[in-house]
Amino acid sequence: EVQLVESGGGLVQPGGSLRLSCAASGFTFRNYEMNWVRQAPGKGLEWVSYISNSGSTIYYADSVKGRFTISRDNPKNSLYLQMNSLRAEDTALYYCARGMLWELLLDYWGQGTLVTVSS
Amino acid sequence: QPVLTQSSSASASLGSSVKLTCTLSSGHSRYIIAWHQQQPGKAPRYLMKLEGSGSYNKGSGVPDRFAGSSSGADRYLTISNLQSEDEADYYCETWDSNTRVFGGGTKLTVL
Repeated sequence: EVQLVESGGGLVQPGGSLRLSCAASGFTFRNYEMNWVRQAPGKGLEWVSYISNSGSTIYYADSVKGRFTISRDNPKNSLYLQMNSLRAEDTALYYCARGMLWELLLDYWGQGTLVTVSS
Repeated sequence: QPVLTQSSSASASLGSSVKLTCTLSSGHSRYIIAWHQQQPGKAPRYLMKLEGSGSYNKGSGVPDRFAGSSSGADRYLTISNLQSEDEADYYCETWDSNTRVFGGGTKLTVL
């Protein structure tokens, strides 16, 4: 069974930093592209970042470019999101999501970790 | 990059059928999309991948009541024999030019 478990969320002040983690199990992690998607309270889904299976290709949404860094550790079956210079508008539930094989679409989601940026 | 347009809300009676629409912006009518369901208070769940031809592939455990179809730039999700647990937000998703795009979501109410 595919499982994605996020952790690392919490309350942080504006301008602060936070590192999210996603532990993957139930599939061969190194074969799959991964993503972070967020959802602000009461709002829709917003894609944040993409990383290829090897980690060699990375993309970001314009809203986080230059502030967030996605990375992965294949031997540890883990995905990460380093978030710097956090703003109030970054407050959201952050989901780790797996990309399908052969298609650039998502097929599994984690349960999410909540990030709150507030003074 | 494509824009995905969804109605903000829909409603249908228990046991009936409903057809939700996701419309691709001009020039993107051949794009493949995915449908995702988000029940209240839960994480999204992948439902299916849907091609412009109308061919679709459902995720593991998705009931037979869920089906996909396409017409031009429109991608449809039809839910038959509506159950109370189908009350949820439904999002469509696609990818283009190194960017993932989601529709605004349709909130489905089961009456």
